[in-house]
Amino acid sequence: DTGVSQDPRHKITKRGQNVTFRCDPISEHNRLYWYRQTLGQGPEFLTYFQNEAQLEKSRLLSDRFSAERPKGSFSTLEIQRTEQGDSAMYLCASSLETGGLNTEAFFGQGTRLTVV
Amino acid sequence: GNSVTQMEGPVTLSEEAFLTINCTYTATGYPSLFWYVQYPGEGLQLLLKATKADDKGSNKGFEATYRKETTSFHLEKGSVQVSDSAVYFCALSDRYGNNRLAFGKGNQVVVIP
Repeated sequence: DTGVSQDPRHKITKRGQNVTFRCDPISEHNRLYWYRQTLGQGPEFLTYFQNEAQLEKSRLLSDRFSAERPKGSFSTLEIQRTEQGDSAMYLCASSLETGGLNTEAFFGQGTRLTVV
Repeated sequence: GNSVTQMEGPVTLSEEAFLTINCTYTATGYPSLFWYVQYPGEGLQLLLKATKADDKGSNKGFEATYRKETTSFHLEKGSVQVSDSAVYFCALSDRYGNNRLAFGKGNQVVVIP
């Protein structure tokens, strides 16, 4: 397994445009997480999935943000009508949950979004 | 809720110096504790972890001990190298719950030759 992969690595978009990011988790991992990291800060939790079900969303996830994991494998994060404040690194992570116990999370390299 | 506090400010030190980065936490339940490292332009890499009180995590010469009595998980390395220059994040999660990570703000470490 090559680990968690994210695409694209970098995205520059104009304010008001929509963007979509993709995350491919480690294949046997059933949990997938999205985090956002702004400059000089630690990552902040956005949302997570168990298989295809989205189980929790942070208050940071405004209604312009939507995430999906349709077949319980890869996930997409879409931001509609982007704003300059959306500029950040978007990180995806995955882990395996079995019998109520979780492994540690493994992170992708992130997608750096710049809204101009 | 869960939270992590890291010491303020960047850390600049000379090669072969001793490194300590302080981390304290607030949590309910039985958190697991982690140190992640981030190199410029990259995602997060797990450096080490500890899952219960008094556990010591270690990797690449770095160590941290899970101290429940002081709610701390300080990172140490006896002799740093230039290649250790990176941002270091302390984090915790609840292994038995949603497993989402709460991170500290991170510390930039710069090692000068």
